[in-house]
Amino acid sequence: KAGVTQTPRYLIKTRGQQVTLSCSPISGHRSVSWYQQTPGQGLQFLFEYFSETQRNKGNFPGRFSGRQFSNSRSEMNVSTLELGDSALYLCASSSGTTDTQYFGPGTRLTVL
Amino acid sequence: EDQVTQSPEALRLQEGESSSLNCSYTVSGLRGLFWYRQDPGKGPEFLFTLYSAGEEKEKERLKATLTKKESFLHITAPKPEDSATYLCAVQARSYNTDKLIFGTGTRLQVFP
Repeated sequence: KAGVTQTPRYLIKTRGQQVTLSCSPISGHRSVSWYQQTPGQGLQFLFEYFSETQRNKGNFPGRFSGRQFSNSRSEMNVSTLELGDSALYLCASSSGTTDTQYFGPGTRLTVL
Repeated sequence: EDQVTQSPEALRLQEGESSSLNCSYTVSGLRGLFWYRQDPGKGPEFLFTLYSAGEEKEKERLKATLTKKESFLHITAPKPEDSATYLCAVQARSYNTDKLIFGTGTRLQVFP
């Protein structure tokens, strides 16, 4: 069974721009969660989608948004990029809320 | 406030020198505890899930145990390929939703 895939793997943007990241979950998984990972803060939860609905949200500003499609694929958008948004963005999928989350390889975003 | 603390932050071991990593937590409504391994620049790789105090799981040189307040990841006779950051995460119930809270990890280096 194919794992979680994320595209693109690397991105370089400048301050003020916006970016969209994509995540394809493991086949059959309906829950997709997004995390931001930085050296100083570790893994921070952004939001979770289940069956196209946002089910849970972390403490990030409204510039961070997401959505999920009917095929469970998910996108995350960050608008008006700031230098502090530079991070590894990880997507994880699971079959349900209490099940194990399996992570993708991440998208490395650098904001200049 | 829900919190997950891992210790030590970094650990250097000689090949074959067994040791343990600690994950202590203070959460209400524990639903599960997860261990992941993360290599530099990659997404976390799932290792174990533990659900109740007294539970143990083993995989090759790794063994995870759980008590009511903490979990240990025991590494027996480690090899250089075990070098990685080991992350602990706790799934907690809060305001009728589940959330996964990560510790900041233990960076393990095993020298030949």
